[in-house]
Amino acid sequence: TQLLEQSPQFLSIQEGENLTVYCNSSSVFSSLQWYRQEPGEGPVLLVTVVTGGEVKKLKRLTFQFGDARKDSSLHITAAQPGDTGLYLCAGVGNRDDKIIFGKGTRLHILP
Amino acid sequence: DSGVTQTPKHLITATGQRVTLRCSPRSGDLSVYWYQQSLDQGLQFLIQYYNGEERAKGNILERFSAQQFPDLHSELNLSSLELGDSALYFCASSVAGRLNEQFFGPGTRLTVL
Repeated sequence: TQLLEQSPQFLSIQEGENLTVYCNSSSVFSSLQWYRQEPGEGPVLLVTVVTGGEVKKLKRLTFQFGDARKDSSLHITAAQPGDTGLYLCAGVGNRDDKIIFGKGTRLHILP
Repeated sequence: DSGVTQTPKHLITATGQRVTLRCSPRSGDLSVYWYQQSLDQGLQFLIQYYNGEERAKGNILERFSAQQFPDLHSELNLSSLELGDSALYFCASSVAGRLNEQFFGPGTRLTVL
């Protein structure tokens, strides 16, 4: 069974600080997605990474796909209160289109 | 707005009852996915339909069933409801294919009393 482990589960930091959250698996994925979810709403797709070692930037957010396509990280620079939310990673199976979600990192940025 | 609609937004019912949740995918998307989200279990994949056919099954209970209609909207039926079925139920749609990028609806919050 493919599993995606996200760490940390919870993170509370001050506005302006940098942070990194991780998504790890023992399985290889054909692609990996990051979503952000706000309370009472559905997850919103932030980015998809496909190639091992790929780095994508979205303003202050930097996403990296591991060389072996088993893990990913999300780095936020100068965090802002608007970054608060649940960050979910999701892996698309290497042999099929099945998508597996991690349990998420709940991020709280204090003003 | 993702373009995916779900109704109803809230549903309160009693144990033993049956409910139907409805989802309309984004225009042009052929795949529909159903997820259950609770605080302790995270986002759990239930089932996927592609162009009317069941494509993949996840942790869906036998008391639950779904279907996708010719107009591509989908319904999730939950029967013999238990207290533990209280959760947020999300529908997502995608064009399908290898990237499988999904667009989620606003969810239906089900409360079983």
